[in-house]
Amino acid sequence: EVRLVESGGGLVQPGGSLRLSCATSGFTFSTYWMTWVRQAPGKGLEWLANIKEDGSRIRYVDSLKGRLTVSRDNAKNSLFLQMNSLTAEDTAVYYCARVVEIASAAPNWFDPWGQGTLVTVSS
Amino acid sequence: DIQMTQSPSSLSASVGDRLTITCRASQSISNFLNWYQQKPGKAPKLLIFAASSLQSGVPSRFSGSGSGTDFTLTISSLQPEDFATYYCQQSYVTPITFGQGTRLEIK
Repeated sequence: EVRLVESGGGLVQPGGSLRLSCATSGFTFSTYWMTWVRQAPGKGLEWLANIKEDGSRIRYVDSLKGRLTVSRDNAKNSLFLQMNSLTAEDTAVYYCARVVEIASAAPNWFDPWGQGTLVTVSS
Repeated sequence: DIQMTQSPSSLSASVGDRLTITCRASQSISNFLNWYQQKPGKAPKLLIFAASSLQSGVPSRFSGSGSGTDFTLTISSLQPEDFATYYCQQSYVTPITFGQGTRLEIK
């Protein structure tokens, strides 16, 4: 069974930073792009970043460039997200997901998703 | 950035109804369009990928169609477990973008 489990969420002070982890199992992690998506309370889905199988290419949403760093450890089947200078607007559930594609330059989709981890930015 | 616009934003329907949700892209995205279902407190779940391919395990009452800029998700006969929020997503180009969601409620 493919599983993704996020951790590291919690209460963070404004101006602080967070580091989230996504532990995966049930598939060959090193052969998939991975992604992070967040969802503010009562709001829609916001894509944050994709990272290539070997970590050599990372694509970020422009609005968070400079504050967001995504990385992976293929030896540990894990994905990471670090975000700095947090504000209340970063309060959200953060999801990791596997990116599935038929072939390069072909349609791709996110499946499955982890259960999410809630980050609350507040003093 | 490619804007994804879903309509309606919300709707009420009854068990057994047939309904269609529309998603429009601000520019052509070929068939790089996916649909997800999200229930309260849960992660999104993939329903349809590449505009019209049904994800394994998803009931056949769900179907998707479209290409270019206009896409639809159809549920042929609503079941109680289908009441949820539905999102379209384009994966044609980064930034990947989602529609604002369609909340489906029981009438």
